[in-house]
Amino acid sequence: AQSVAQPEDQVNVAEGNPLTVKCTYSVSGNPYLFWYVQYPNRGLQFLLKYITGDNLVKGSYGFEAEFNKSQTSFHLKKPSALVSDSALYFCAVRERDNYGQNFVFGPGTRLSVLP
Amino acid sequence: AAGVIQSPRHLIKEKRETATLKCYPIPRHDTVYWYQQGPGQDPQFLISFYEKMQSDKGSIPDRFSAQQFSDYHSELNMSSLELGDSALYFCASSPGLAGGGTDTQYFGPGTRLTVL
Repeated sequence: AQSVAQPEDQVNVAEGNPLTVKCTYSVSGNPYLFWYVQYPNRGLQFLLKYITGDNLVKGSYGFEAEFNKSQTSFHLKKPSALVSDSALYFCAVRERDNYGQNFVFGPGTRLSVLP
Repeated sequence: AAGVIQSPRHLIKEKRETATLKCYPIPRHDTVYWYQQGPGQDPQFLISFYEKMQSDKGSIPDRFSAQQFSDYHSELNMSSLELGDSALYFCASSPGLAGGGTDTQYFGPGTRLTVL
């Protein structure tokens, strides 16, 4: 079974500084990796995904993520954080079972951007 | 620790039939979210409830309705089923910010609905 780990429960960063939210994964084949963001009391929103191709994936709101196969990581990054980026971030991997494909989500990392 | 429970895990229906999916949140969680993931698709947010009231609405079709009950479990009712409704339906629960907890979502295993 595939799994996703987000080693940090909380990440604090000052506005204007670069941010990184970490994600590592465990899969048996080629990984399909995703990042989602959740604002307070809202549903998940898609940020970006890696299926194949360039290791650096660009997504919504200026976010990007770097796929590193040797380190089995898919860290989310942004060059300059905004206070409005404060939210909960979920890393996910798509897996296939006998009935089709579904998602396995990490536990989430809370990002706080301080003014 | 107890997790989010969804029932049934698998459901097969025919077109134009109705289906009811159930979600039992983690104890003391008062917020429930529903997501739909079609084959090869990303999960799409449908609807959420906090303290038995609808708190947010996403791309939920008019043929679907949902509610949260006094014991905080939630049911997603789907009528006039179409082939395109075949998907994996996730439920998630969270303690809720308003309740002084966090808004971290804990996902259930999903219910796989197949419409024939």
